[in-house]
Amino acid sequence: GDSVTQMEGPVTLSEEAFLTINCTYTATGYPSLFWYVQYPGEGLQLLLKATKADDKGSNKGFEATYRKETTSFHLEKGSVQVSDSAVYFCALSASGTYKYIFGTGTRLKVLA
Amino acid sequence: NAGVTQTPKFQVLKTGQSMTLQCAQDMNHEYMSWYRQDPGMGLRLIHYSVGAGITDQGEVPNGYNVSRSTTEDFPLRLLSAAPSQTSVYFCASSSRGTNEKLFFGSGTQLSVL
Repeated sequence: GDSVTQMEGPVTLSEEAFLTINCTYTATGYPSLFWYVQYPGEGLQLLLKATKADDKGSNKGFEATYRKETTSFHLEKGSVQVSDSAVYFCALSASGTYKYIFGTGTRLKVLA
Repeated sequence: NAGVTQTPKFQVLKTGQSMTLQCAQDMNHEYMSWYRQDPGMGLRLIHYSVGAGITDQGEVPNGYNVSRSTTEDFPLRLLSAAPSQTSVYFCASSSRGTNEKLFFGSGTQLSVL
């Protein structure tokens, strides 16, 4: 079945460091891909999304490119801030369904 | 806009007790769903609904019941709570179309002793 695999955390970085969180997926057809972020004590909120191959989603300095050839959707940010500390979830929505499948989440901690 | 509202925020139950987690949305979304979040497991889909009167099972439905009598409300019922149901529960909704983003509630932290 469809699945999402993302890198284990926690990831600890210093402020202004470069961030990469890896995400790969398995799906039939052409799913839409998402990154959600969860701040402490809150629900998840959409960070960015891409709906077709080679699309780049971006928001708040974060980017991810839908790579069908490598079935990946890695999250990147050039310079992280303390306020980026959160848990990041990669997810897919299989084409033609309402079902969203989430990865296990990666906790990011940014130190001042 | 209130968005997706979940109640209660925290709940402690004894094994065998029953309770209902409430979820309401004011965005007229057709799709509503319940997830549980466990350490190292990510979010797992319990039940979902694509409209009033229509529900279906997700990945981990056992021990949970749902109904959807109105577009706004989607309660989750635990008929006989078990320690394995200790988790954080999230309700989420979205508009029609499978590529629409999910709007999440703030979660319910449930402990079953």
